[in-house]
Amino acid sequence: DVKVTQSSRYLVKRTGEKVFLECVQDMDHENMFWYRQDPGLGLRLIYFSYDVKMKEKGDIPEGYSVSREKKERFSLILESASTNQTSMYLCASSLGQDLYNEQFFGPGTRLTVL
Amino acid sequence: AQKITQTQPGMFVQEKEAVTLDCTYDTSDPSYGLFWYKQPSSGEMIFLIYQGSYDQQNATEGRYSLNFQKARKSANLVISASQLGDSAMYFCAMRRNTGNQFYFGTGTSLTVIP
Repeated sequence: DVKVTQSSRYLVKRTGEKVFLECVQDMDHENMFWYRQDPGLGLRLIYFSYDVKMKEKGDIPEGYSVSREKKERFSLILESASTNQTSMYLCASSLGQDLYNEQFFGPGTRLTVL
Repeated sequence: AQKITQTQPGMFVQEKEAVTLDCTYDTSDPSYGLFWYKQPSSGEMIFLIYQGSYDQQNATEGRYSLNFQKARKSANLVISASQLGDSAMYFCAMRRNTGNQFYFGTGTSLTVIP
């Protein structure tokens, strides 16, 4: 079974702090994704990566950056956390380029910025 | 631009009855994939079913089936014989042939009434 793990289930940070959210997948997937989920807005893509050291902006990249130094690990960085970044953050991975390859999701990190 | 539309924020269904969750999509790509995910209150996203744009038959997976109407650009999820454990958020998603990005709808909250 594919397993996608995220470093924390719950996180509380203060405004202005630098925040790292870590995601690791164990099935050698090429593609990895970071979403934020807010009520009524569904899942919005922040960044995704289709290979090591490669990254693409999603729909809402402002205020975020990412790092993918190893294939299995994709990190989301909030350089200076703000209260409007309080949200549920979901990491996902998928295999290859075929359309039928679904995404596998981690359990999510609920981030609160005070 | 919104590419996936789920017009039902909330739905109720009696236990053992069937329910249809609506999803429409917008793309000019000839080739694309459509997915449904379930998100229980625990937060994890669970893949349910996949439909390819060139698939001749509607996809089925156990009690889940996808009513795919290509000309109308709709991909409705049908859950037969609803169970209490089906109470969850349901998300429709599309993967285009160009790029690795997945597009999600805003979700439908389904409540199964005993």
